[in-house]
Amino acid sequence: QKEVEQNSGPLSVPEGAIASLNCTYSDRGSQSFFWYRQYSGKSPELIMFIYSNGDKEDGRFTAQLNKASQYVSLLIRDSQPSDSATYLCAVNRGRDSGAGSYQLTFGKGTKLSVIP
Amino acid sequence: DGGITQSPKYLFRKEGQNVTLSCEQNLNHDAMYWYRQDPGQGLRLIYYSQIVNDFQKGDIAEGYSVSREKKESFPLTVTSAQKNPTAFYLCASSMTGSGNQPQHFGDGTRLSIL
Repeated sequence: QKEVEQNSGPLSVPEGAIASLNCTYSDRGSQSFFWYRQYSGKSPELIMFIYSNGDKEDGRFTAQLNKASQYVSLLIRDSQPSDSATYLCAVNRGRDSGAGSYQLTFGKGTKLSVIP
Repeated sequence: DGGITQSPKYLFRKEGQNVTLSCEQNLNHDAMYWYRQDPGQGLRLIYYSQIVNDFQKGDIAEGYSVSREKKESFPLTVTSAQKNPTAFYLCASSMTGSGNQPQHFGDGTRLSIL
């Protein structure tokens, strides 16, 4: 099965710093990439999505995609204690994935801790 | 407010019992999904439906069943055949099932064994 890999962390950064979260994927047919934030005990909430190589910015968040390297990242600028959560990377499966083609595969998430 | 409503928030299952988890959305989305999350794990796809009256097995469908008789509703039944049902169950929906639309999640149901 195609995989999505994330460093489980915890990743600790001081308040105000840039947090960098990374994700690699194995399915070369993947075209859509999503980042979700999940607070402890809660459901995931969508932060950003990206389809094209390069950077996409939304407020303090920047998603970066490099399809050749099969790598997607999320940068959080000016990190706040409220950003402390687990960040899930999700990648859609290519059309050659058989049953479940086009569905999302989730990584296990990276736990981010922002230290005041 | 548009959104996805899952109920109940907590559910307890006795041995040999089937239980049904409810998921309703008023976002007018075509596609709906059920995921299971175990502690420290990513989300695993149980079943999905790209359109009303149609659904497909996901990666871990054994011991589960679904129906999609209405666009708004996608209930999940955890049958007695599912031997390890304790998990956090998440329902999601997206505008289409093409894989390029963001999925939005309900608040989840926590299922435990009595």
